[in-house]
Amino acid sequence: GQNIDQPTEMTATEGAIVQINCTYQTSGFNGLFWYQQHAGEAPTFLSYNVLDGLEEKGRFSSFLSRSKGYSYLLLKELQMKDSASYLCAVRSSGGSYIPTFGRGTSLIVHP
Amino acid sequence: DSGVTQTPKHLITATGQRVTLRCSPRSGDLSVYWYQQSLDQGLQFLIQYYNGEERAKGNILERFSAQQFPDLHSELNLSSLELGDSALYFCASSTQDSNQPQHFGDGTRLSIL
Repeated sequence: GQNIDQPTEMTATEGAIVQINCTYQTSGFNGLFWYQQHAGEAPTFLSYNVLDGLEEKGRFSSFLSRSKGYSYLLLKELQMKDSASYLCAVRSSGGSYIPTFGRGTSLIVHP
Repeated sequence: DSGVTQTPKHLITATGQRVTLRCSPRSGDLSVYWYQQSLDQGLQFLIQYYNGEERAKGNILERFSAQQFPDLHSELNLSSLELGDSALYFCASSTQDSNQPQHFGDGTRLSIL
């Protein structure tokens, strides 16, 4: 099976930078996704990492270290609308390609 | 707009009843996934269909069943409903390429009274 760990809640100030960590244990790693989910809404895709390193996409970047079973999502120039839950999802090798989701990190951005 | 359509958006019913949730995947996606999300739980995978065939099962109760039709839309049937079944039910679709993300519908909020 898989074990995915994320902090439950984080707070940050508008305009600042925040890093949301995700650690995982899995056999046969085959990719890691980050999703954003506003309360009561659908998760929306943010980033995908399968190789080690940093993937940058505008204000959001995601980093992966497969040897450490570790990823982080970096959010820069925080805006109030970034207040949401951030879900880390790990896909393992196999025929079904189904990612397992962590419980999510609730990010609160305050003025 | 993810391109995944779920109906209904809200459903209120009583214990012991049966409901059907419907999902239309994004155009071109052959895989459909069903997830349950309760207030204190993460997204729990229930079941996956690929091109009409069941592909994988997760934590799906025996009271729950699903199917995918030839036009690729899918239905999730929940029966003998209990208070604990109250949750958001999401449908997601994807291609089979492993580096492609799942795209989620807006969900059906099920409330059991």
